[in-house]
Amino acid sequence: EIVLTQSPGTLSLSPGERATLSCRASQSIGSSYFAWYQQKPGQAPRLLIFGAATRATGVPDRFSGSGSGADVTLTINRLEPEDFAVYYCQQYFSTPYTFGPGTKLEIK
Amino acid sequence: QVQLVQSGSEVKKPGSSVKVSCKASGGSISNSAITWVRQVPGQGLEWMGRVIPLLGTANYGPKFQGRVTITADRSTSIAYMELSNLRSDDTAVYYCARYANWLDPWGQGTLVTVSS
Repeated sequence: EIVLTQSPGTLSLSPGERATLSCRASQSIGSSYFAWYQQKPGQAPRLLIFGAATRATGVPDRFSGSGSGADVTLTINRLEPEDFAVYYCQQYFSTPYTFGPGTKLEIK
Repeated sequence: QVQLVQSGSEVKKPGSSVKVSCKASGGSISNSAITWVRQVPGQGLEWMGRVIPLLGTANYGPKFQGRVTITADRSTSIAYMELSNLRSDDTAVYYCARYANWLDPWGQGTLVTVSS
């Protein structure tokens, strides 16, 4: 089973700043097999990025994904108040398609 | 645009089973896979397994293998997740989501509480 680790666990930033969230897999799987989700309290997760860098429909262009091999990054430029949430990465290279433990993005 | 609507909350006794449904509206699940993910309160996301309705095949995560059955009815566009031999640590929100790889969209979630 591929284990994903995310860093940092919590990120405290102010609106207007840039957030950089990292996700690392326990083995190299190629960046095409990563997705990112946003989850707000009491809501289902929402797909943001798939194929490591492709934004899902309706996702603002301040969200971007990058990376390769075993490491991918989600960058959120010019943070808006609605961006403060928990973010999960997921790998779909091999089943079970595991998720990272999440990064909580909180308002500083 | 496809939306997934799940059945309502359940309260179950330890040792019993629960069956949660996931209905697609605004589209069909025939040409998509449906994946089930669970989230224990305050914790992260766990991939449980998926079904490919067109093929009628399913595969499961090792943690749930033997206790979970995921099925889909193409004629009604409803997918099901049945979890048996429930334990207190199965108390969680269970989500369905479309597609086999990246998951989009997600159902609203179904809270299953296991308590004696």
